Amino acid sequence: EADIYQTPRYLVIGTGKKITLECSQTMGHDKMYWYQQDPGMELHLIHYSYGVNSTEKGDLSSESTVSRIRTEHFPLTLESARPSHTSQYLCASMGSGSYNEQFFGPGTRLTVL
Amino acid sequence: SQQGEEDPQALSIQEGENATMNCSYKTSINNLQWYRQNSGRGLVHLILIRSNEREKHSGRLRVTLDTSKKSSSLLITASRAADTASYFCATDYTGTASKLTFGTGTRLQVTL
Repeated sequence: EADIYQTPRYLVIGTGKKITLECSQTMGHDKMYWYQQDPGMELHLIHYSYGVNSTEKGDLSSESTVSRIRTEHFPLTLESARPSHTSQYLCASMGSGSYNEQFFGPGTRLTVL
Repeated sequence: SQQGEEDPQALSIQEGENATMNCSYKTSINNLQWYRQNSGRGLVHLILIRSNEREKHSGRLRVTLDTSKKSSSLLITASRAADTASYFCATDYTGTASKLTFGTGTRLQVTL
């Protein structure tokens, strides 16, 4: 079944730890996105990719980094987590059709103590 | 910021009533979309309206777009408790192909 997956769903870690949030999609979409969303607030684009080996920073500055080595996989890494990184991180993908509908994963809720 | 504004920020209605949410944006768009988000989950696409369209329907949803006023509205008719969620508009701005800018969201509560 075509879908988009994120792991872990919840993560509580201490300050200074390195973490990687996983995102995978089985729809063959070229375009993938990472958004940051605080509870009850709007989404902010932090990274996006238009295909393999393509990554761009989004509208909101983020200390995280991303990679796109395979079409289906778009992981996000924080080298040294801080309490200010506490948020929900949403991954999305989009196909190349004329309708720019994005498909979202369930999100990872990150808490940095 | 190109981010859209939505109003109201929160809306509470009873089951069976209609819910209307509004979205305003700032520059020319290719299309405008509405998404729904249940608490703590990802977003689900509801409906897309192109810049050359004025109204679109999908089931109990009706979306209008007024490009002269740079605004859109989402109407949910005969609301149900299961419609309780946050609703976001998202704009695909001209010249920013494949990037969406999301509004601030409207939190809808439908009570029995």
